[in-house]
Amino acid sequence: NAGVTQTPKFRILKIGQSMTLQCTQDMNHNYMYWYRQDPGMGLKLIYYSVGAGITDKGEVPNGYNVSRSTTEDFPLRLELAAPSQTSVYFCASSQTSGAQETQYFGPGTRLLVL
Amino acid sequence: KQEVTQIPAALSVPEGENLVLNCSFTDSAIYNLQWFRQDPGKGLTSLLLIQSSQREQTSGRLNASLDKSSGRSTLYIAASQPGDSATYLCAVKETSGSRLTFGEGTQLTVNP
Repeated sequence: NAGVTQTPKFRILKIGQSMTLQCTQDMNHNYMYWYRQDPGMGLKLIYYSVGAGITDKGEVPNGYNVSRSTTEDFPLRLELAAPSQTSVYFCASSQTSGAQETQYFGPGTRLLVL
Repeated sequence: KQEVTQIPAALSVPEGENLVLNCSFTDSAIYNLQWFRQDPGKGLTSLLLIQSSQREQTSGRLNASLDKSSGRSTLYIAASQPGDSATYLCAVKETSGSRLTFGEGTQLTVNP
């Protein structure tokens, strides 16, 4: 199992450009999540999905969009990149959302908006 | 709103020392609390998960405790090794919804 994979690993965007961060998991997990981590800070939830076709906002959703057409994939879309979106983005997945649930994280995508 | 705080922000110790990392949270209504390890340029790896009904969990040289009433958790690392150098993050899962709330992390350096 590859677990959770993310592409690209690093990207530089100009202000106003758009891009999609890719996330794929091969563990047949129902739940998937997108987080962002700013320097010296903890992770903040952007969006999450409880299954194919179902998505919901997290703590910091503004400026982002997601879709979940398959169980495996959960892409994150930035429509109009802003310097405030410079961050490291982590995708995660879990089988359930119960008390024993553990989230499995991808290696992250480092995004720089100039 | 749940807030998670980790103290200290950074810690440097000599190899072989026992150490304690601290995590505090403001709302005691939690499903579970997790400790993660984050290596530079990599994702997070779950170390220990304590359910709200449990007091502690152990894995090898790691022991995590949970005191819901006081809103505190500690991660105890015995006989630290240079390979333990990483950032350790604490996260609580709230009773409602799927959200994890993370602390800012403690950056640990174990010197040979």
